[in-house]
Amino acid sequence: DAGVIQSPRHEVTEMGQEVTLRCKPISGHNSLFWYRQTMMRGLELLIYFNNNVPIDDSGMPEDRFSAKMPNASFSTLKIQPSEPRDSAVYFCASTSPYQETQYFGPGTRLLVL
Amino acid sequence: AQTVTQSQPEMSVQEAETVTLSCTYDTSESDYYLFWYKQPPSRQMILVIRQEAYKQQNATENRFSVNFQKAAKSFSLKISDSQLGDAAMYFCAYKQGRDDKIIFGKGTRLHILP
Repeated sequence: DAGVIQSPRHEVTEMGQEVTLRCKPISGHNSLFWYRQTMMRGLELLIYFNNNVPIDDSGMPEDRFSAKMPNASFSTLKIQPSEPRDSAVYFCASTSPYQETQYFGPGTRLLVL
Repeated sequence: AQTVTQSQPEMSVQEAETVTLSCTYDTSESDYYLFWYKQPPSRQMILVIRQEAYKQQNATENRFSVNFQKAAKSFSLKISDSQLGDAAMYFCAYKQGRDDKIIFGKGTRLHILP
């Protein structure tokens, strides 16, 4: 059974460019979480969805960040415009209503120059 | 608000020895779950073990076991027969029963000495 899939695995871009990160949750999971991990701030929850609906976006740093989940099998996290301080590893995780455990994707390592 | 504290930023253990990573948490809830996640250099977050608060028996997974002290709000991870592949960052995490979000500690970096 495939785990959480994220793409791209690595992204290098220049300041001001738009960045789109993608996530495919585990089939049957109805909750999806976006995290950001940096050395300074550790692991931060940015936003999460239940049944494709955003429930809590209080962790989204600012208006430059947006996330969507158009269907149960796909979500995007967009940064526009990107800034060097957005450089981090971005994780997507999912869970089902019958489990308490979140399963993480491999992460996207973003570097904004 | 619930918090998770890992007081040991780094630890080292000799290969084949046993090591215990500490974690304490703060909650007023009775229904919750606790987790240990491992993050090796690949950055992948991997579930190591989980514990339901209503269970008195400590969870075990092969060489990994926990010491769950509910009254003390302590949830330590014991790794027996440490192996080089155990070198990683370990995160303790808490989830309230009815909540969706997981709260993570800051992590403990574990080094395995050959």
